[in-house]
Amino acid sequence: AQSVTQLGSHVSVSEGALVLLRCNYSSSVPPYLFWYVQYPNQGLQLLLKYTTGATLVKGINGFEAEFKKSETSFHLTKPSAHMSDAAEYFCAVTFYNQGGKLIFGQGTELSVKP
Amino acid sequence: DTGVSQNPRHKITKRGQNVTFRCDPISEHNRLYWYRQTLGQGPEFLTYFQNEAQLEKSRLLSDRFSAERPKGSFSTLEIQRTEQGDSAMYLCASSRRLAGGENRGQETQYFGPGTRLLVL
Repeated sequence: AQSVTQLGSHVSVSEGALVLLRCNYSSSVPPYLFWYVQYPNQGLQLLLKYTTGATLVKGINGFEAEFKKSETSFHLTKPSAHMSDAAEYFCAVTFYNQGGKLIFGQGTELSVKP
Repeated sequence: DTGVSQNPRHKITKRGQNVTFRCDPISEHNRLYWYRQTLGQGPEFLTYFQNEAQLEKSRLLSDRFSAERPKGSFSTLEIQRTEQGDSAMYLCASSRRLAGGENRGQETQYFGPGTRLLVL
């Protein structure tokens, strides 16, 4: 079955520290992978996506993610955390010819300490 | 800003009542999706439209749920005889299917702010 797993429901980092949010997917066909961010009481905003081509994808707000097929992973990183990065982050996957419906992970709440 | 809009933003209702939510997608977006998000979980797919045609419904969408997109523009999601388990955030998203006639699925979905439903 196709699924997404985000390791760690809550991650806490200090301001200026590296941010690493983990995402693994399960699928027998090539995936399209997305990271979305959600601030309290708001909808989801796309950070970045991987469809085809370069496996290292750069997104908004200094985030990037690398698609590793051998590890079935799409981890999100940012070299230096900012207080404004505190939010809920969701990894999602979809596949060719499935109408674009997204399968989401359970989310990781990122806290940033001053 | 002409992003996805949803109304109402909040709805409190009593068990057994009917509720209807509206989603206005980004203009020229031909695909519209509904998702449900419960506390502490990621969104779950409910249904989607391409233009006015409803192409897929999740098993999560019981007979009490109905969605429409009559003119291929805005969409409504109705829940009849609400139950406490329906309490959730209902998210709408829209996208523009890529040209070429292929169902690629890699288009970016733009989300609205959601409608938070509380059933007492």
